[in-house]
Amino acid sequence: GQQLNQSPQSMFIQEGEDVSMNCTSSSIFNTWLWYKQDPGEGPVLLIALYKAGELTSNGRLTAQFGITRKDSFLNISASIPSDVGIYFCAGQLTGDYKLSFGAGTTVTVRA
Amino acid sequence: SAVISQKPSRDICQRGTSLTIQCQVDSQVTMMFWYRQQPGQSLTLIATANQGSEATYESGFVIDKFPISRPNLTFSTLTVSNMSPEDSSIYLCSVAPGNEQFFGPGTRLTVL
Repeated sequence: GQQLNQSPQSMFIQEGEDVSMNCTSSSIFNTWLWYKQDPGEGPVLLIALYKAGELTSNGRLTAQFGITRKDSFLNISASIPSDVGIYFCAGQLTGDYKLSFGAGTTVTVRA
Repeated sequence: SAVISQKPSRDICQRGTSLTIQCQVDSQVTMMFWYRQQPGQSLTLIATANQGSEATYESGFVIDKFPISRPNLTFSTLTVSNMSPEDSSIYLCSVAPGNEQFFGPGTRLTVL
């Protein structure tokens, strides 16, 4: 699959803080997806992005599809303890059903 | 979206044995996938399970080690054959009813 660079690798944040993570790729993607994985569970789809420049929200989550189509970011506002988990970005090339995944960002929230 | 279940949820196996993992979806889907997630790592696609034909394997994965069945549009199995400790991972099935992929809860495999 394609190489996705996801950063940061991990973060410790205070409850109530905003969180930001991003993914970059050397390839142009048609679709960007953001997932969250809790311990012992499968990844759950948070947000899907289909157009360059698209900004989409899901509750306290906001994600954007970069203008160059080679990057995406995810913001979490006013973090709460249940935001703990591993967040993965995934990209899909035009005409390809396969997903390439980032290495993940581990979020730990201090109460 | 789709509701996906996997069996077993976890297992501990002896090296040299095989384990078959089942994936059941609540609706008919054309595209079904199997992934491996090694400890502390991201997801790696093993193969695409095609209904009515052989699975399509990614580089580094072979049918003899990971045979896959897809007898209908709601069910698939992945077998991990002749297991070694290096096969200890979470195995996930996923489906793509549209442009998005949804994942099952995973099967956590430990090989001793």
